Amino acid sequence: KAGVTQTPRYLIKTRGQQVTLSCSPISGHRSVSWYQQTPGQGLQFLFEYFSETQRNKGNFPGRFSGRQFSNSRSEMNVSTLELGDSALYLCASSQGTGPDTQYFGPGTRLTVL
Amino acid sequence: DQQVKQNSPSLSVQEGRISILNCDYTNSMFDYFLWYKKYPAEGPTFLISISSIKDKNEDGRFTVFLNKSAKHLSLHIVPSQPGDSAVYFCALHFGNEKLTFGTGTRLTIIP
Repeated sequence: KAGVTQTPRYLIKTRGQQVTLSCSPISGHRSVSWYQQTPGQGLQFLFEYFSETQRNKGNFPGRFSGRQFSNSRSEMNVSTLELGDSALYLCASSQGTGPDTQYFGPGTRLTVL
Repeated sequence: DQQVKQNSPSLSVQEGRISILNCDYTNSMFDYFLWYKKYPAEGPTFLISISSIKDKNEDGRFTVFLNKSAKHLSLHIVPSQPGDSAVYFCALHFGNEKLTFGTGTRLTIIP
């Protein structure tokens, strides 16, 4: 079974631009969660989508948004990029019901110049 | 309010010895507990999990212990190997709530 895939793996943008990151979950998984990891920081939870609906949300500004499609693939969008948005963005998929294990993708490294 | 704490930011262990990583939590609602291992610039890798109905789960060199009364979770790695050097996160879950991660412990195995 293929793992979680994320595209692109690396991205360089400038301040003020917007960016869209993509995540394809493990086949059969209905939940996709997004996390941000900055140098020296732990995993900061952004949001979770389950069956195309946002089910949980972290404490990030409205510039960070996401969506999930009917095939469970998810996208995350960041508008009006700031230097502080430079980070490793991780997505994780799970079945989304009951005691559950999340499996992570390799991440997208975003650099904002 | 930090619900999950890993009080040791770093730990160094001699190769071949036992590594013990600890995690404390405050919310007794958590019913599923996981450990992840993370190398720099990569996504976390799932290692082992335990549900609240058990107090021990073993998988090869990795054993997770759960003490519900103390709200304490630990991961034992024995024997420790150089490839175990990484950051380890505990993660706790209940219901359909988000997975709550600890702050991580950087484990260094000394050859």
